[in-house]
Amino acid sequence: NAGVMQNPRHLVRRRGQEARLRCSPMKGHSHVYWYRQLPEEGLKFMVYLQKENIIDESGMPKERFSAEFPKEGPSILRIQQVVRGDSAAYFCASSPHQPGRPQETQYFGPGTRLLVL
Amino acid sequence: KQEVTQIPAALSVPEGENLVLNCSFTDSAIYNLQWFRQDPGKGLTSLLLIQSSQREQTSGRLNASLDKSSGRSTLYIAASQPGDSATYLCAAMTTDSWGKLQFGAGTQVVVTP
Repeated sequence: NAGVMQNPRHLVRRRGQEARLRCSPMKGHSHVYWYRQLPEEGLKFMVYLQKENIIDESGMPKERFSAEFPKEGPSILRIQQVVRGDSAAYFCASSPHQPGRPQETQYFGPGTRLLVL
Repeated sequence: KQEVTQIPAALSVPEGENLVLNCSFTDSAIYNLQWFRQDPGKGLTSLLLIQSSQREQTSGRLNASLDKSSGRSTLYIAASQPGDSATYLCAAMTTDSWGKLQFGAGTQVVVTP
């Protein structure tokens, strides 16, 4: 059973370009979470999605960021018109069940390192 | 709002010493508290998960305790090895957070041979 897959692993963009980050959850997992890790900081929650639904986007910046998890295919985190402050590691995690179980963990992917020049 | 703090931010010990990593949280209404390991340029590996009804969990040389009343968790690593060098993150899942993990900033550990 393959783990959570993210691609690309490294992404370089110039200011003003778009960045698309992809996440394929573990087989059988229908819950996806995106986190961002800025340099020298801990991971910060961005968004929680189920298939075709955004459940909680309270951690997403109000502008330029969007996320989706279509019925078929990977989850996509999209950043429009990137700025240098978007440079960070973006991690995706997945879980098989709805949150709220004390024994539940999230399985993390290797992350995408975004560098904005 | 849940806030998770890890002290110290960095730690260096000689091989063989025991490691003690601290994590504190402000909201005791949690489902669980987890400890992760992060290697440079890599993802997160789950080490231990302590459910809110539990006091501790053990796996090999690792032991994690949870005291909800004081808002603290401690990760003990016995007989440290150079391969234990990594950043250790704790994360809390609060009951009103709907799956959102709240992370501390981490403790960077270096074990010298």
